[in-house]
Amino acid sequence: DSGVTQTPKHLITATGQRVTLRCSPRSGDLSVYWYQQSLDQGLQFLIQYYNGEERAKGNILERFSAQQFPDLHSELNLSSLELGDSALYFCASSEAGVPYEQYFGPGTRLTVT
Amino acid sequence: DQQVKQNSPSLSVQEGRISILNCDYTNSMFDYFLWYKKYPAEGPTFLISISSIKDKNEDGRFTVFLNKSAKHLSLHIVPSQPGDSAVYFCAAGGSQGNLIFGKGTKLSVKP
Repeated sequence: DSGVTQTPKHLITATGQRVTLRCSPRSGDLSVYWYQQSLDQGLQFLIQYYNGEERAKGNILERFSAQQFPDLHSELNLSSLELGDSALYFCASSEAGVPYEQYFGPGTRLTVT
Repeated sequence: DQQVKQNSPSLSVQEGRISILNCDYTNSMFDYFLWYKKYPAEGPTFLISISSIKDKNEDGRFTVFLNKSAKHLSLHIVPSQPGDSAVYFCAAGGSQGNLIFGKGTKLSVKP
């Protein structure tokens, strides 16, 4: 158990809909990262937050957004969903000063039908 | 353009023997490299890391070697155990603190 929690575990929704994925980092970790794992793409970095502020952006679509709240939990919002958004979405967290050693949650499997 | 490549999608090894997983990268600015292990239906688990100023790091049965001139790193598992069967991802630390992952190598350790 990494200490990072993600909800829900599975999500099935229709095209055009909007969903919110939630992540709670390990106790004490200020950084939260979101990654997408598609079938043929491997793990792709989406976005990073540090103590409530956006720190870095990767290959995140404009239809996607995220935020980190004062209690450090984070939410990833996916809107106008398309079939190609079906993937595993992972959240990871790290300690301040040790950004590369990231601890991953179990992921949310999103299926868009 | 894949910056981190794992060219072997799968590897099969006998229990007790050495497993060697390989990874190549293209960006010489990476300054940190990591290996993650992933079981089905779970998130990746951090295994071992190495800074670009070192060429070897060891942790129990796991050793990571870094060859900067060849832009190559490898993970050695000795001795391999059936519980090591998983997908192994190589990752490199990008300038923003994010990780850039390879596509993974599925290791099967046969009893």
